[in-house]
Amino acid sequence: EIVLTQSPPSLSLSPGERATLSCRASESVSRHLAWYQQKPGQAPRLLIFDVSTRATGIPARFSGTGSGTDFTLTISSLEPEDSAVYYCQQRNNWPPTITFGPGTRVEVK
Amino acid sequence: EVQLVQSGAEIKRPGTTVTISCKVNGFALSDYYLHFLRQAPGGGLEWMGFLDGRDGETVYAGSFQGRLIISADISKGTANMELSSLTSEDTALYYCARVPPTMYFFDTWGQGTLVTVSS
Repeated sequence: EIVLTQSPPSLSLSPGERATLSCRASESVSRHLAWYQQKPGQAPRLLIFDVSTRATGIPARFSGTGSGTDFTLTISSLEPEDSAVYYCQQRNNWPPTITFGPGTRVEVK
Repeated sequence: EVQLVQSGAEIKRPGTTVTISCKVNGFALSDYYLHFLRQAPGGGLEWMGFLDGRDGETVYAGSFQGRLIISADISKGTANMELSSLTSEDTALYYCARVPPTMYFFDTWGQGTLVTVSS
C-alpha cells in the first residue's frame, strides 16, 4: 500500500505570504493525487484533483504541481480564511483503496 | 442541490454495533461510489471502504475487514455503514462521501456523524 507523508506538519504565515505544502508518496501515484482543505468543525473540501486541476469554485490562489512521488500545494497569497488543515490523498490501483497524508496545519495570522 | 445527509450522533457501549445512514439528495446513488471515512478526535482522515452504487459491490480497508458492512437501498437513495465490535478506539466523526464514476476523489461530503464509544 502506498503511504503518503506531508511536510511540514504545520506552518504559521502572515496574510499575503506564500504557503508551500509538500506531499510525498512511497511509490509513484501517477496523476491520481488530490488535495483537501478542512476547517475546524467542517467536513473536508476538495481543492485539487489530478495533481493540478482546481475543483469547482476554488480560488486561483490555490495551485497544485508535481509528478510521480512528489507533489506540492501552493497558496500564492494567503488570506485569513485559509487557516485550515490540508490533506493530500491518493488511490491504490489494486485493491482500490484510498490513503491520506497526515495533514499540514496552516495558520494565517 | 447535491447533498449527503447523515444520521445523528450515537453513543455506544463497547462490544456493540453502530449503524450510520447517509441519504443522498440531488443525484442518483446508482451513478456513484459512496465511501465512508472517519476522523478520530484531533486526528487525520481514515478511509474505511466504499460501495459501488452501480452494482452494490463493496471494498473495505483491511483494518476493518470482518466488522464493517456497507450496504444501500438504491431506490431510497440511502447507504448504511454498520461497524461492529466497537471499542473506545472507534470513537470518531464518521463521514460519507461521494466519488464520481471512474474517479478517486471525494467531491461531496456528508456533515459527519459523531460516534462515542464509552462504558
